[in-house]
Amino acid sequence: DADVTQTPRNRITKTGKRIMLECSQTKGHDRMYWYRQDPGLGLRLIYYSFDVKDINKGEISDGYSVSRQAQAKFSLSLESAIPNQTALYFCATSDLSGGPSGEQFFGPGTRLTVL
Amino acid sequence: KNQVEQSPQSLIILEGKNCTLQCNYTVSPFSNLRWYKQDTGRGPVSLTIMTFSENTKSNGRYTATLDADTKQSSLHITASQLSDSASYICVVSAMGGYNKLIFGAGTRLAVHP
Repeated sequence: DADVTQTPRNRITKTGKRIMLECSQTKGHDRMYWYRQDPGLGLRLIYYSFDVKDINKGEISDGYSVSRQAQAKFSLSLESAIPNQTALYFCATSDLSGGPSGEQFFGPGTRLTVL
Repeated sequence: KNQVEQSPQSLIILEGKNCTLQCNYTVSPFSNLRWYKQDTGRGPVSLTIMTFSENTKSNGRYTATLDADTKQSSLHITASQLSDSASYICVVSAMGGYNKLIFGAGTRLAVHP
């Protein structure tokens, strides 16, 4: 089984709809992240969480919210989706032993299209 | 402004040939640099990590170099295989309270038979 899973893998929705992307991990890592990837751009950090009670905004958090339901689960919500949120979304995890710049392990991604 | 620039944007080579991908960065203070491989439809996977004091590191047919003075890194792929077709992403970590990762846009490599 994959260590970091994301659901759904693909989603098409309409402007104004609420969308939730879910991430689960079996690696036992404390740290979890949400990124978006756009063509021609590097991955950009949306939110990150260092434990269940710790949530931090990344560089592009506007229009997004997150919930860390458990150590293994981190969900990303778009309260009112807009077309420029069409992108590939990745969840990632890392553990404390690697330090602040330790290796991150990525899920397979969710391709979201907002019409 | 912290930036990571990769070149070329895309590259096509024949199976068995070598290639070199470039990464230039303006990240300060520098912590480390990783190269990730991203297969189509999958998340990135780390290939190598290099710290300030390391000049070269190999992982099988992949060899990464780092010149911290000129702030340049390269990833050399030897005897390419069809499975090397992927995007290769350079990621630089900046030191701070939370070490921020700055991602390059990637180089898309296609290996043709």
